[in-house]
Amino acid sequence: GDSVTQMEGPVTLSEEAFLTINCTYTATGYPSLFWYVQYPGEGLQLLLKATKADDKGSNKGFEATYRKETTSFHLEKGSVQVSDSAVYFCALSEGLFSGGYNKLIFGAGTRLAVHP
Amino acid sequence: DARVTQTPRDKVTEMGQEVTMRCQPILGHNTVFWYRQTMMQGLELLAYFRNRAPLDDSGMPKDRFSAEMPDATLATLKIQPSEPRDSAVYFCASGLAVGSEQYFGPGTRLTVT
Repeated sequence: GDSVTQMEGPVTLSEEAFLTINCTYTATGYPSLFWYVQYPGEGLQLLLKATKADDKGSNKGFEATYRKETTSFHLEKGSVQVSDSAVYFCALSEGLFSGGYNKLIFGAGTRLAVHP
Repeated sequence: DARVTQTPRDKVTEMGQEVTMRCQPILGHNTVFWYRQTMMQGLELLAYFRNRAPLDDSGMPKDRFSAEMPDATLATLKIQPSEPRDSAVYFCASGLAVGSEQYFGPGTRLTVT
């Protein structure tokens, strides 16, 4: 079945460092891909998404490109801030032709800690 | 700014008691999901609905958990009887269409003593 694998955390960075969180997926059909962020004590929030190959999702300085050839959707940010400390989840949604019902398949989450 | 709401935000109860969690999905969304999050297991999908009909509840312990949607504006998750291992944060999420994103509520933190 469909699955998402993301790098284990925690990832610890200094403020203004470059961030990469790796995410690869296995899927049939044509899934949409998402990054969600969870701040302490809160629910998951959509950070960005991409719905087809070569699409780039971006938001709040974060970017991820849908790479079908490498089945990847790595999250990047050029300069992290302390306020970016959170848990980041990569997810895929079954595509239109898979008969799915908008069910999301989540990765295990990667905790990011940014220090001043 | 449309949001998913959940009540209660926190619940502490004793083992054996019934617990009911409620969720109001975003108006117009036709899919509703219940998740459970723990440190050990991470995020688990318990059940989901489309147009109020249950599609899959294979993630729930059937003997004690039940999920319903009495109407389009209310989803409920009930645990009877509750056990200490049910302690977790329970999230509700709603969505609009196949392939689109889900919007999560703030969660209900359940502690069973």
